[in-house]
Amino acid sequence: GAVVSQHPSWVICKSGTSVKIECRSLDFQATTMFWYRQFPKQSLMLMATSNEGSKATYEQGVEKDKFLINHASLTLSTLTVTSAHPEDSSFYICSARVTGGNEQFFGPGTRLTVL
Amino acid sequence: AQTVTQSQPEMSVQEAETVTLSCTYDTSESDYYLFWYKQPPSRQMILVIRQEAYKQQNATENRFSVNFQKAAKSFSLKISDSQLGDAAMYFCAREDSSYKLIFGSGTRLLVRP
Repeated sequence: GAVVSQHPSWVICKSGTSVKIECRSLDFQATTMFWYRQFPKQSLMLMATSNEGSKATYEQGVEKDKFLINHASLTLSTLTVTSAHPEDSSFYICSARVTGGNEQFFGPGTRLTVL
Repeated sequence: AQTVTQSQPEMSVQEAETVTLSCTYDTSESDYYLFWYKQPPSRQMILVIRQEAYKQQNATENRFSVNFQKAAKSFSLKISDSQLGDAAMYFCAREDSSYKLIFGSGTRLLVRP
């Protein structure tokens, strides 16, 4: 149990296009999901907190208009990277917190390469 | 800033031996959770062990145990009987009151056969 999936696992796109990444909790409900970014050989940096049915909360320095987050159901959150640029190339990881629980489960990550 | 510090960028251990990874953190909260995560080359984050700050007893999960010193804000991970499969990046993390995880910079663990 407690499986989180991400789709796609990797994506290559052209500069200026938008890319959507999905994060799904497969066997549990998650009122809260988190989006992280991890650059090569670095740690995970929290980008935003996604709450079902409400606006996401972004960390300082993260552009909310560039990284659009939608958490429309208790099992799905999406991150859309708009007008992607090469500097947005990174590994994006989501985690989902079990509703009423105290543990987060991580997705396998999405590798984004912007040409 | 509420930070988590891992001062060892890389550690090496002989197979079957014991290694300890260090972690210190800063917080003004009295109750919180601390975690150690393993990230193998696949980059899937795997929970190794979790400690609740209000519990004085150190958490243990098979070969993995922690030395939690609340007053010193220290949370080290001990891996006993190290195995080749333990080789990975290890991240220490603290959960804040908003359930956000604040990660340390990570320690790369090498296991020598």
